[in-house]
Amino acid sequence: EIVLTQSPGTLSLSPGERATLSCRASQSVTSSHLAWYQQKPGQAPRLLIYGASTRATGIPDRFSGSGSGTDFTLTISRLEPEDFAVYFCQQFGGSPIFSFGPGTKVQTK
Amino acid sequence: QVHLQESGPGLVKPSETASLTCVVSGDSISTSYWSWIRQPPGKGLEWIAYIYYGGSTNYNPSLEGRVTISLDASRSLFSLRLTSVTAADTAVYYCARVSSGGADFDHWGQGTLVTVSS
Repeated sequence: EIVLTQSPGTLSLSPGERATLSCRASQSVTSSHLAWYQQKPGQAPRLLIYGASTRATGIPDRFSGSGSGTDFTLTISRLEPEDFAVYFCQQFGGSPIFSFGPGTKVQTK
Repeated sequence: QVHLQESGPGLVKPSETASLTCVVSGDSISTSYWSWIRQPPGKGLEWIAYIYYGGSTNYNPSLEGRVTISLDASRSLFSLRLTSVTAADTAVYYCARVSSGGADFDHWGQGTLVTVSS
């Protein structure tokens, strides 16, 4: 079983600041099989990044993903008010075949 | 535009069966993989199962034996059946489309809350 760990659990920042979110896997994950989602209260998750670094359709370029192996990062270059949300990483290929990290909450400082 | 719409029982008694349906529009159900994912209140996401039109299915081992996923192409919908429910099954249940790359979920329904309580 591949376990995903996200850190920090909560990130308190101000609009305009840079956010760096970490996702660590217990075993190596193929880069093409790592995704990031954003979830706002009362809404379904939205795909932000797939293949570790490719932005999904319509996602602003202030969102970027990087990493390989067991360590992956989601960066939001300059936080906009609408970016305060919970972010999940997700892997494909382990057992279960899909799994998610516990999430990082980005909240207003 | 792909649209997924879940429907479910709302409230289910412990030990009973919850049946959920996801209607797909804006895409052919026969050309993609489709999944169910759930989220207990205030908690993280748990993948449950996927199905492909050709009949291929895959289940989360933590739920296997209690879950069945099925697809009805004629009505452009897929379904989830969860038996012997307990309070731990209380969650928002989302249906989602697996992307063409096969490794992530690019379209989601808005979710339906299933509460297990007597």
